[in-house]
Amino acid sequence: EVVLTQFPDFQSVTPGEKVTITCRASQHIGISLHWYQQKPDQSPKLLIKDASQSFSGVPSRFSGSGSGTDFTLTINSLEAEDAATYYCHQSTSLPWTFGQGTKVEIK
Amino acid sequence: QLQLQESGPGLVKPSETLSLTCIVSGGSISSSSYYWGWIRQPPGKGLEWIGNIHYSGSTYYNPSLKSRINISVDTSKNYFSLKLSFVTAADTAVYYCAVPLNGYWGQGTLVTVSS
Repeated sequence: EVVLTQFPDFQSVTPGEKVTITCRASQHIGISLHWYQQKPDQSPKLLIKDASQSFSGVPSRFSGSGSGTDFTLTINSLEAEDAATYYCHQSTSLPWTFGQGTKVEIK
Repeated sequence: QLQLQESGPGLVKPSETLSLTCIVSGGSISSSSYYWGWIRQPPGKGLEWIGNIHYSGSTYYNPSLKSRINISVDTSKNYFSLKLSFVTAADTAVYYCAVPLNGYWGQGTLVTVSS
């Protein structure tokens, strides 16, 4: 099973600042790494697919990068509406797995 | 635009079987190459993949739950279903039906396991 570990677990950020979330895989997974945003009492929303492909309708301040074992989600110029928990997810091998989540709070 | 909607009991007794249905609207469950899936989230915790099914009937299950899971599809009624047997309190969670890599998620349904 591929274990995904996210760093940090929690981040408190001022609006306008840049946010970087890292997801590290326990083995090489190519680029089959995806990012979701989940706000309280809502379903997760797909932000980035296949490491760096922005999903339709996602604001351009969200971007992803990486391959192999190390991946990054970047939020440029954080907005108040970006307060949420962010999850990475791999679909290279079964079982599909998720990172533990990174909670982003607005200062 | 596909829409997914979970339905089923919100309370299940320990050792019984949890049964949920995901109704697909806005498109045919058999006209696409999607793998229709179930994902769950215990209260205050992270996401866990349960399993996927293709309309042809091919299934893929999480080994940690495999002995207790059955996912099926009914193409005539355009829905797919989850059955999880011998539930315990650890199975209490919000259950989502989803095609996550295409951005489709149901709103989720909380299932509590309690006597």
